[in-house]
Amino acid sequence: EPEVTQTPSHQVTQMGQEVILRCVPISNHLYFYWYRQILGQKVEFLVSFYNNEISEKSEIFDDQFSVERPDGSNFTLKIRSTKLEDSAMYFCASRSGGAGKLQPQHFGDGTRLSIL
Amino acid sequence: KNEVEQSPQNLTAQEGEFITINCSYSVGISALHWLQQHPGGGIVSLFMLSSGKKKHGRLIATINIQEKHSSLHITASHPRDSAVYICAVPNYGGSQGNLIFGKGTKLSVKP
Repeated sequence: EPEVTQTPSHQVTQMGQEVILRCVPISNHLYFYWYRQILGQKVEFLVSFYNNEISEKSEIFDDQFSVERPDGSNFTLKIRSTKLEDSAMYFCASRSGGAGKLQPQHFGDGTRLSIL
Repeated sequence: KNEVEQSPQNLTAQEGEFITINCSYSVGISALHWLQQHPGGGIVSLFMLSSGKKKHGRLIATINIQEKHSSLHITASHPRDSAVYICAVPNYGGSQGNLIFGKGTKLSVKP
């Protein structure tokens, strides 16, 4: 069964450094999402992406964050200048775009980001 | 914006017991997700349902759209069912779009 893959599985970065989290969504999917989960807390929405642009973003997704789909397969989340509070598990998800049918979001295994 | 409440937060069961986890939400939706989060952190989609009941193996999910409530049942629970179970709904109603998640129910099944 097709999967959403995320790399790396664990990223350790010094505060203030830039970090790029990578995701390869399922190949025929059209809608892409980033979520994050701070340790011990619930999963929170960051941003959704469709048709090569952001369709919605949460208040968490400030100017430090950006997303890109640089080619036909990758979907990346960049954090420009990391802060301690960016330490979390980041999940990528994708879903297909067919109309008139329930389409579940498929999640990757996550990238655990640790800011030192 | 939708709000999601799950209960219980923690659940310990003996192997073989019947498990029920409840989820309620505030804004009308057309579909709801049940997800499983493994101890390692990965999230797996168990069900997406819009009405009635769905069954997959020992897992059964039900939803009452009018009452804004869903339940996840596990029959004949097993230690390998130990995980966090999360209910998630579309933030602004409907069936798609970004999801709002419950806090999860941590299930521990003892042999």
